[in-house]
Amino acid sequence: EAGVAQSPRYKIIEKRQSVAFWCNPISGHATLYWYQQILGQGPKLLIQFQNNGVVDDSQLPKDRFSAERLKGVDSTLKIQPAKLEDSAVYLCASSLGRGGSNEQFFGPGTRLTVL
Amino acid sequence: GQQLNQSPQSMFIQEGEDVSMNCTSSSIFNTWLWYKQDPGEGPVLLIALYKAGELTSNGRLTAQFGITRKDSFLNISASIPSDVGIYFCAGPSGGYQKVTFGTGTKLQVIP
Repeated sequence: EAGVAQSPRYKIIEKRQSVAFWCNPISGHATLYWYQQILGQGPKLLIQFQNNGVVDDSQLPKDRFSAERLKGVDSTLKIQPAKLEDSAVYLCASSLGRGGSNEQFFGPGTRLTVL
Repeated sequence: GQQLNQSPQSMFIQEGEDVSMNCTSSSIFNTWLWYKQDPGEGPVLLIALYKAGELTSNGRLTAQFGITRKDSFLNISASIPSDVGIYFCAGPSGGYQKVTFGTGTKLQVIP
């Protein structure tokens, strides 16, 4: 079974530029998550989708971050414009989205450096 | 919001030694998850606990769901170099299928 795919793996941009990350979850997983992981910290949830609808985006800085999952499968996360403090690893995860299990499966992440 | 504090923050151990780490919560959980993150990779689920007092093993790893439901412990026996990484606890944080991650314990194993 293929895991969660993310691209690119690394990205370096200058502040005020725009960047987009892509995620393809495990086939059949209804729930998709985007996390931000700053160096030395645990992942912090940015946004959660159930199929193509947003379940939780309370921690997403909506003035500069946006995400979509138009067909309920893959998803993109965009930052426009980027700030220095956005330097982090952006992790995508997916889960079945059924029953009581909270077991999430993570992709390898995209490491963003903002100069 | 809910906070999960892990200790120790980091540890260096000799290969072959046993390791113990713990996670405490400011509120009661009904599920505890333990993840390991290798450098440059996303976290991978190691063990899931669903019942207070539960003790679950996965190879050399053993995790326990604390009786108070506000803590959990992870033990690694006979450590090997590939145990190196960051270990995160996680628990449900309200909302559907949503979890909060702890602060992490960074483990270094000296061959």
